[in-house]
Amino acid sequence: KAGVTQTPRYLIKTRGQQVTLSCSPISGHRSVSWYQQTPGQGLQFLFEYFSETQRNKGNFPGRFSGRQFSNSRSEMNVSTLELGDSALYLCASRVNPGQEGPLHFGNGTRLTVT
Amino acid sequence: QKEVEQDPGPLSVPEGAIVSLNCTYSNSAFQYFMWYRQYSRKGPELLMYTYSSGNKEDGRFTAQVDKSSKYISLFIRDSQPSDSATYLCAMSSTITQGGSEKLVFGKGTKLTVNP
Repeated sequence: KAGVTQTPRYLIKTRGQQVTLSCSPISGHRSVSWYQQTPGQGLQFLFEYFSETQRNKGNFPGRFSGRQFSNSRSEMNVSTLELGDSALYLCASRVNPGQEGPLHFGNGTRLTVT
Repeated sequence: QKEVEQDPGPLSVPEGAIVSLNCTYSNSAFQYFMWYRQYSRKGPELLMYTYSSGNKEDGRFTAQVDKSSKYISLFIRDSQPSDSATYLCAMSSTITQGGSEKLVFGKGTKLTVNP
């Protein structure tokens, strides 16, 4: 079974631009979560989607948004990029958000903001 | 106080050594405990998943949870150079049906196993 797939693997953007990251979950997984990983803060929860609805949201500004499609694929968008948004953005999936079971992560998108 | 504390290391051991990795936490509502391994330029890979207190063994890996002390451990026996990675603990509280509960991660411990 294929794992969680994230595209692109690397992105370089300049301040003020916006960016869209894509995630395809494991087949049969309907819940998708997004995390930001930085050396200083570690892994921090952004949001979780299930059935095209945001179920939970972390403490990030409104510039960070996401959506989920009917096939469970998800995208996250960051508008008005700041230097501090440089990070590894990780997508994770599981069958359902309310079901006991661990998250399975993709290899992430490395975003560099210059 | 942070919800989850993990010593960042780095930790360097010789091949064959027993490695002990630990996390402490402050939220008594945490019920699910996980250990992830992350290689450079890769996403976290699930190693161990436990519910509530007790021990769980899988090959060379043993996870322990002590809820009374709010302390979890991962032991690696007969460590190999291929175990060199960053190890992240993660935990969450009770997941209600249809609900959603985020994982809270430690910052990770960087382990190097020297041949």
